[in-house]
Amino acid sequence: EVQLVESGGGLVQPGRSLRLSCTASGFTFGDYAMSWVRQAPGKGLEWVGFIRSKAYGATTEYAASVKGRFTISRDDSKSIAYLQMNSLKTEDTAVYYCTRDGSLPYWGQGTLVTVSS
Amino acid sequence: DIQMTQSPSSLSASVGDRVTITCRASQSISTYLNWYQQKPGKAPKLLIYAASSLQSGVPSRFSGSGSGTDFSLTISSLQPEDFATYYCQQSFSTPRTFGGGTKVEIK
Repeated sequence: EVQLVESGGGLVQPGRSLRLSCTASGFTFGDYAMSWVRQAPGKGLEWVGFIRSKAYGATTEYAASVKGRFTISRDDSKSIAYLQMNSLKTEDTAVYYCTRDGSLPYWGQGTLVTVSS
Repeated sequence: DIQMTQSPSSLSASVGDRVTITCRASQSISTYLNWYQQKPGKAPKLLIYAASSLQSGVPSRFSGSGSGTDFSLTISSLQPEDFATYYCQQSFSTPRTFGGGTKVEIK
């Protein structure tokens, strides 16, 4: 069974950093690109970015709203994807979901990040 | 970026009704289109992938169709547990954009 479990969310002050983790199981993690998607309170879904598999160079792409502040990485030996969030803003407050990219996507349950002073 | 335009943004329907939600892409995305259902406080649930393939475990009253730029999600007979918000998402290119959502409410 495919499972994705996000962790690392919490309350953080504006301007600070936070790192989210996504631990995967039930599939060959290294074969898949992994994405992050977020949802601000009461709003729709927003794609944050993704990282390709190593077969495709583990390259990354980001939404314009987070480019230069957020970094996605992966550790295939541990089946974990990371979302490093720097220079956080109040508008980054959202539930962050990890998803397996590809023709049959899977989602985690999400982790809440609250950016507030 | 590919824009995904979903309509309507909300609808009211009764149990047993046939409901159709549409999603239009700003350029051709072949059949790289997924549909999700989301209930309050929960993660989105995949219903349809590759435009028309039913995810395992999803009731057969849900169906998807379309290719190119125009897609639709149909619920053949609305059930009480189907009242939720539905989103389309294209997986043809990055950024992997979502439609704005359709909230299905009880009439």
